[in-house]
Amino acid sequence: AQKITQTQPGMFVQEKEAVTLDCTYDTSDPSYGLFWYKQPSSGEMIFLIYQGSYDQQNATEGRYSLNFQKARKSANLVISASQLGDSAMYFCAMREGRGFQKLVFGTGTRLLVSP
Amino acid sequence: DSGVTQTPKHLITATGQRVTLRCSPRSGDLSVYWYQQSLDQGLQFLIQYYNGEERAKGNILERFSAQQFPDLHSELNLSSLELGDSALYFCASSVAAAATDTQYFGPGTRLTVL
Repeated sequence: AQKITQTQPGMFVQEKEAVTLDCTYDTSDPSYGLFWYKQPSSGEMIFLIYQGSYDQQNATEGRYSLNFQKARKSANLVISASQLGDSAMYFCAMREGRGFQKLVFGTGTRLLVSP
Repeated sequence: DSGVTQTPKHLITATGQRVTLRCSPRSGDLSVYWYQQSLDQGLQFLIQYYNGEERAKGNILERFSAQQFPDLHSELNLSSLELGDSALYFCASSVAAAATDTQYFGPGTRLTVL
């Protein structure tokens, strides 16, 4: 069964510094997608970045990049030049290519950015 | 703004009651998903519809049901409500149903059962 693990319940970072949020996954399906979502205190789920299992290059979206290490089954989110508005919960999620098309989420990491 | 709309934003009701949550997907999206987020269970997939048909079921209770209408909007019906049903309910939509399709989430409906 597919599984997502986020081992950091909370992370602190100073404004303008970079931070890495860890995510490891487990699946036997060779085709899958990995996603990161941000949930601010207001509650909405905001899509940040996507990485496909067959993608050769790491995904990037503005200040967000995904450090995809397929052999280690890890998909860490890197946020560069942190801003106060980055303070939120961050969820890693995976979707397998076969079977159910649901997203399976990790337990999330709460990021606090200090001035 | 993801383009997915959900109504109502907040819902307070009593045990034993029935409520309906509504979702309109992004323009052009055919798939709709429902998720429940609670403190003890985290984010859980409930059910998926694709172009009006049920595609997948997750941890959805028998007291819960959903449907997707011809105009692609979806409703989640929760009946015989219990205190434990209090949660944030999200609707998400995607273009189709492939693993690579990004799911965009609505703002959620926060349900409180008293």
